[in-house]
Amino acid sequence: EVQLVESGGGLVQPGGSLRLSCAASGFTFSAHWMSWVRQAPGKGLEWVANINQGGSEKRYVDSVKGRFTISRDNAETSLYLQLSSLRAEDTALYYCARVASDGSGYWGHWGQGTLVTVSS
Amino acid sequence: DIQMTQSPSTLSAFVGDRVTITCRASQSISSWLAWYQQKPGNAPYLLIYKASSLESGVPSRFSGSGSGTEFTLTISSLQPDDFATYYCQQYNSYPVTFGQGTRLEIK
Repeated sequence: EVQLVESGGGLVQPGGSLRLSCAASGFTFSAHWMSWVRQAPGKGLEWVANINQGGSEKRYVDSVKGRFTISRDNAETSLYLQLSSLRAEDTALYYCARVASDGSGYWGHWGQGTLVTVSS
Repeated sequence: DIQMTQSPSTLSAFVGDRVTITCRASQSISSWLAWYQQKPGNAPYLLIYKASSLESGVPSRFSGSGSGTEFTLTISSLQPDDFATYYCQQYNSYPVTFGQGTRLEIK
C-alpha cells in the first residue's frame, strides 16, 4: 500500500524558515517524480514544486522560486521541501503527492498534509 | 500560465440526479486533464485522468469527457457520498494549474 506521511509543519514568523519532510513507503520511490501541492485555509489547490526521479530536474511555481527548494533522498525514500523567506501567503496545508507511474503530471496518491502557519 | 475555469462554483442537487461540471482551459491542453474529489479534512482523491480515463477503484457513475479547451465531469446518479468539492487540473505544461473548485451540495 502506498503511504506518504508529511511532517515538519508548524508556526513560523514572517521571514523565517522551515523544512518539510515526506516519508514514502509501499512503492519504488526512486522510480517516481514527486510533488508538493498546497492548499491555503478554505481555498483551492496550488501546485508548488516537482522533482524528477534522480533529483536533477526541479520545477517550481513562480511565487516560490528562489525561496523554496525541493529535494529527495532515494536511499531514505524521503521527499523534502525547504521553505525560506516565508510570507503570510505561504500559510497552507502542504501535501506530498506521487506523480503518476508513466510520468504524466497528475497525482494518484497523496499524503494527509502538514500545516504551515506564517504569522507574527 | 494556463488558466482553468470551472463552472458552476456551487451546485445543489438531489441524490439520484445527473450532474455535470465544466472546466475550461485558457488554451488547448489536448487531453492532459485530471479531476479530483475532495471532502473536508481529506486529501484530494483522483477520479479521472487524461480527460476520460477512470482511475482504478472509482465508481463507474463518474465519467469525464472533452479535449482541447473544454471538459466535463459527469456523475450519472448522485450518491450521498458524492457531496464534496471537485477540482480539475491541467498537466499539459508548467506551471501545473487547478480550477477554483466546484462545491457540490445536497438540495
